[in-house]
Amino acid sequence: AQSVTQLGSHVSVSEGALVLLRCNYSSSVPPYLFWYVQYPNQGLQLLLKYTTGATLVKGINGFEAEFKKSETSFHLTKPSAHMSDAAEYFCAVTLYSGGGADGLTFGKGTHLIIQP
Amino acid sequence: DTAVSQTPKYLVTQMGNDKSIKCEQNLGHDTMYWYKQDSKKFLKIMFSYNNKELIINETVPNRFSPKSPDKAHLNLHINSLELGDSAVYFCASSQEGGKPQHFGDGTRLSIL
Repeated sequence: AQSVTQLGSHVSVSEGALVLLRCNYSSSVPPYLFWYVQYPNQGLQLLLKYTTGATLVKGINGFEAEFKKSETSFHLTKPSAHMSDAAEYFCAVTLYSGGGADGLTFGKGTHLIIQP
Repeated sequence: DTAVSQTPKYLVTQMGNDKSIKCEQNLGHDTMYWYKQDSKKFLKIMFSYNNKELIINETVPNRFSPKSPDKAHLNLHINSLELGDSAVYFCASSQEGGKPQHFGDGTRLSIL
């Protein structure tokens, strides 16, 4: 079974500063990894994904993440935080089973606070 | 056009009642899911359907039953509601397992 650990339930950064949200996963086979963002009273929006290939993946809104197999990590970064980035961020993992319907296993989420 | 839509958005009811939440996706996806988000915002998979076949059934009470009349719909029926069922329920869909999932806006269920 797979699991996801997000370090830091709350992260606070100043507007314009680097954003770093940490995610570590546990999986017996190579996983598919995702970052989702949730704004208040809304559903989850996909930020970016890693399946295979290039380990540095770029997503929407200037976010990117790097898959590091040796560290079992998939940290999310953004060079310069904007007030509109304030939201809840979830790291998630799934295992591809040849067309089967594996649900996502989520981390507990990180609440990103942007200080003016 | 909304890709994954859920109704109702809010559902307030009393203990012991039976209720349903509807979900429809217009993305042409083959797989649909239900997730539960608790008060601490933790998300957990409940069910998924692939071509009308139940693929995952996590350890949820049998008071919860998914119903899929066709590939575009996956409704959630809940019998004998309990206080602990209060949560936000999200529907999602994907082209197939492993592909990114698209989420609805959620249904906030409150049990009085």
